[in-house]
Amino acid sequence: DAGVIQSPRHEVTEMGQEVTLRCKPISGHDYLFWYRQTMMRGLELLIYFNNNVPIDDSGMPEDRFSAKMPNASFSTLKIQPSEPRDSAVYFCASSLGLAGGLNFGPGTRLTVL
Amino acid sequence: KNQVEQSPQSLIILEGKNCTLQCNYTVSPFSNLRWYKQDTGRGPVSLTIMTFSENTKSNGRYTATLDADTKQSSLHITASQLSDSASYICVVSGTTSGTYKYIFGTGTRLKVLA
Repeated sequence: DAGVIQSPRHEVTEMGQEVTLRCKPISGHDYLFWYRQTMMRGLELLIYFNNNVPIDDSGMPEDRFSAKMPNASFSTLKIQPSEPRDSAVYFCASSLGLAGGLNFGPGTRLTVL
Repeated sequence: KNQVEQSPQSLIILEGKNCTLQCNYTVSPFSNLRWYKQDTGRGPVSLTIMTFSENTKSNGRYTATLDADTKQSSLHITASQLSDSASYICVVSGTTSGTYKYIFGTGTRLKVLA
């Protein structure tokens, strides 16, 4: 089992640019979560999907953020336009069942200049 | 408000020593509690999971305890090693307004020195 796969691992971009983060969950897992981690706020839930359907997006900070899950093996988190305050590590996690426990990917470190 | 508080924020110990990390929570109703280890530059990895009826759970040199009455948990690390240097995150799960949620603590940063 390859675990949760995220790409890119690092992203440096300039303010105003579009950023797309990608995630491949563990095969067979039916829940997918996007988290953001900063030193100040720790891990924050942005959105989660069940069977490719968004269930709770209340953590998405602004309309600049959007997430999609076109199929069971792929999800994207897009930020457009990006701002310096979006700089953080973004984690994708998947689970089998909502109470199955979170399996985190390695994260994408985003720096917006 | 559902909260998870961890202490201390950071901790430095010498290799070979024991240490205990604390987690207090107000999440209700409570489903389970997990301790995660997060190495620098990596995603969190689950160490232990405990349900309401469990008091103790071990994983090698890691032992977690849970007191559901006082809503407290601890993670005890025995004979620390340099590789234990990481952040340890307490995560409490429960159902709030019909929605199952994971509530994260802000973590304890542990540094083990040679």
